[in-house]
Amino acid sequence: ETGVTQSPTHLIKTRGQQVTLRCSSQSGHNTVSWYQQALGQGPQFIFQYYREEENGRGNFPPRFSGLQFPNYSSELNVNALELDDSALYLCASSLFAGSNYGYTFGSGTRLTVV
Amino acid sequence: AQTVTQSQPEMSVQEAETVTLSCTYDTSESDYYLFWYKQPPSRQMILVIRQEAYKQQNATENRFSVNFQKAAKSFSLKISDSQLGDAAMYFCAYRRGKGGTSYGKLTFGQGTILTVHP
Repeated sequence: ETGVTQSPTHLIKTRGQQVTLRCSSQSGHNTVSWYQQALGQGPQFIFQYYREEENGRGNFPPRFSGLQFPNYSSELNVNALELDDSALYLCASSLFAGSNYGYTFGSGTRLTVV
Repeated sequence: AQTVTQSQPEMSVQEAETVTLSCTYDTSESDYYLFWYKQPPSRQMILVIRQEAYKQQNATENRFSVNFQKAAKSFSLKISDSQLGDAAMYFCAYRRGKGGTSYGKLTFGQGTILTVHP
């Protein structure tokens, strides 16, 4: 059974640029959520995708967008990067939205905006 | 909106001793789930234990157990026989019950750094 894989592991971008982060969900999981974790803080919910449709969004501006593909892998896109976007971005997959078995997290992508 | 508060930024324990991490939450819902996650330096969130709000019995997973006080909205984690590998950041998290938008969203606390001394 494969876990959740995120790529890249680290990334440095310049303010104003655009970035795409990728996530391969655990085999059999059809729901993917994305979280932003600032240094020393708890993760904050960005959005969730279930069967290729966004079905929940946190308090993040529209320049944060996502996609889920038929194989349930996912992308997080951030446009017009700001310095405050520097954080660890975590992807989590689950059997279905709100699975009682919890969520399987990836090891994240560390994004630094300079 | 639901909030989760962890009032202990840092805790330390001697190897083989017991430590308790505190968590309180605020919600107006009756159906919800609570989790404790561990985040080691590898950054991956690992589920430690979960509790369904409708269950009065406290969840237990080997050396890990919770004290769930629904009326007080308190959900503490007890780690018995602490091991060096338990050292990590621990997060308390809340998830609403079924239905509505953002069903599946986890709301995390600020975390508690646990240090285990040999």
